[in-house]
Amino acid sequence: EAGVAQSPRYKIIEKRQSVAFWCNPISGHATLYWYQQILGQGPKLLIQFQNNGVVDDSQLPKDRFSAERLKGVDSTLKIQPAKLEDSAVYLCASSPGRGKEKLFFGSGTQLSVL
Amino acid sequence: GENVEQHPSTLSVQEGDSAVIKCTYSDSASNYFPWYKQELGKRPQLIIDIRSNVGEKKDQRIAVTLNKTAKHFSLHITETQPEDSAVYFCAASESARQLTFGSGTQLTVLP
Repeated sequence: EAGVAQSPRYKIIEKRQSVAFWCNPISGHATLYWYQQILGQGPKLLIQFQNNGVVDDSQLPKDRFSAERLKGVDSTLKIQPAKLEDSAVYLCASSPGRGKEKLFFGSGTQLSVL
Repeated sequence: GENVEQHPSTLSVQEGDSAVIKCTYSDSASNYFPWYKQELGKRPQLIIDIRSNVGEKKDQRIAVTLNKTAKHFSLHITETQPEDSAVYFCAASESARQLTFGSGTQLTVLP
């Protein structure tokens, strides 16, 4: 079974620039998550999708972050404009949904904002 | 919202000894408690999970205990091996909505 795919693996940008991350979940997984993991901390949920609808985006900084999952499969997370404090690993995860909560994580995108 | 506290932040044990990591949670509605292992530069991977209707669960050298009354749960690793060295995260949620992670424990198993 293929895992959760993410790209790019690394990204270096300057502050105020824009950046986008892509995620393709495990086939058939209804639920998709984006997490932000700052160095030395646990992952923090940014947004959760159920199929193509948003379930929870209460911790997403909506003035600069946006995410979409248009066809209920792959997803894109965008930051515009980036700040220094956005430097982190952005992890995508998916789960089957329907009461099956086990999360499968992708390898993440390591973002450095200079 | 849910708040999960995890301790210790670092833990060193001799190979073959046991390791215990403890977490407390704040939301009494939480009913799902997974533990993830994250090796350096790699993705978090689920190692064991427990639901609120169960007090203890074991899988070979790994066990998790849950005390709903006190709102705390613990990870126990017996007969530790060098490959157990990693960062371990606990988490809590109500039915997989907004899974909240602890801050992590860096476990080092000394040969």
